[in-house]
Amino acid sequence: VQLVESGGGLVQPGGSLRLSCAASGFTFSTYWMSWVRQAPGKGLQWVANIKQDGSETYYVDSVKGRFTISRDNAKNSLYLQMNSLRAEDTAVYYCARDRQLVPAAMTGYYYYGMDVWGQGTTVTVSS
Amino acid sequence: NFMLTQPHSVSESPGKTVTISCTGSSGSIASNYVQWYQQRPGSAPTTVIYEDNQRPSGVPDRFSGSIDSSSNSASLTISGLKTEDEADYYCQSYDSSTVVFGGGTKLTVL
Repeated sequence: VQLVESGGGLVQPGGSLRLSCAASGFTFSTYWMSWVRQAPGKGLQWVANIKQDGSETYYVDSVKGRFTISRDNAKNSLYLQMNSLRAEDTAVYYCARDRQLVPAAMTGYYYYGMDVWGQGTTVTVSS
Repeated sequence: NFMLTQPHSVSESPGKTVTISCTGSSGSIASNYVQWYQQRPGSAPTTVIYEDNQRPSGVPDRFSGSIDSSSNSASLTISGLKTEDEADYYCQSYDSSTVVFGGGTKLTVL
């Protein structure tokens, strides 16, 4: 079971970048998937996740309207399109597998955490 | 917005027991599961506790998790501390279609 991110790099403020995450060793199409980031010297921040068939996507407020999460189940791949990048988006971006989400009346879903993580790809936004 | 608050740092001696707290800002922390992740410098996080108190295979039983509804908090307890336990620990839960992490706690074993 493995997740391998790619696509990070140096980009100017206002620029765009597309991250990819290649999954192997499990049935990718049966899992929700997430992106999590970690700014230098800071804690973990969830960025977005996507349902198995791509029909539902959710984002942290700070990236709504700028980032788009998507997936291609035929290619066992997860993506994060990042537009209008800001200095505060500088971080290591991790791809992670969500163990399970089960619909719940009060909170939307019962969430069972993340059980597989990639090694991360570094995004630096600077002029 | 729902938030999880952790102490910035804790320290304890080898062989001792340490508890790291994770307090929910509102509602009931028991309304969704709490996970705990360990992150060593330069590495990706790994799960030490999921579904409040379950240990993944390979995680020693020195690690345990619990929920206290009266204080709206979760706790990670590590007993028989080893130097290899020195790391950052993050709690995580879920609310209103959002995954939430605590700010992280740096555990020093000295």
